[in-house]
Amino acid sequence: EIVMTQSPATLSVSPGERATLSCRASQSVGSNLVWYLQKVGQAPRLLIYGASTRTTGVPARFSGSGSGTEFTLTISSLQSDDFAVYYCQQYSNWPWTFGQGTTVEIK
Amino acid sequence: EVRLVESGGGLVQPGGSLRLSCSASGFTFSSCAMHWVRQAPGKRLESVSAINYNGGSTYYADSMKGRFTISRDNSKNQLYLQMNSLRPEDTAVYYCVKPVGVPPVGIDYWGQGTLVTVSS
Repeated sequence: EIVMTQSPATLSVSPGERATLSCRASQSVGSNLVWYLQKVGQAPRLLIYGASTRTTGVPARFSGSGSGTEFTLTISSLQSDDFAVYYCQQYSNWPWTFGQGTTVEIK
Repeated sequence: EVRLVESGGGLVQPGGSLRLSCSASGFTFSSCAMHWVRQAPGKRLESVSAINYNGGSTYYADSMKGRFTISRDNSKNQLYLQMNSLRPEDTAVYYCVKPVGVPPVGIDYWGQGTLVTVSS
């Protein structure tokens, strides 16, 4: 199965600053990658699919890029509501596989 | 409003069985593929099984093949996961999830999860 590796494990960022999260696949997944945001006690929320397409209602400060094996989620100016755990997941091959998550915390 | 409500979790001894259920509402269940995803304590999310809209195609992660069976009853808007030969490493919160898109491009709705604990 495809192994997804996220880095860093934890990212400390001040509100208003830019955050860059990385996700690497053990083999090419094309653009078949999504990003989720999860807050404590809540289900994950789908942010981005197709590596770069925001889902309805997701603010423009979230942007995704990459293809193949290297992907990036960028949050241009962190708001208080953005401090959470972010997961990437590939849907190119079954089983769908998830990264281990990046925690974005307040610096 | 889409709702997915899991039930059936609990404590079971190694080698035992459990049947999870998921009651779906707020969307056309019979038109949608459905998945089970789990998360063990301190571990990443893990795909367990998937089923297409009419139950004609099913998929399993390798470690679940031969032990788990996914099924659905579209007349009742219910999704099931029969889990046999349970192992301690199957301990996790199990989520019923609805993928989005055809073909699916991720998961847009999650249940609240049901905890399965495999221990003697």
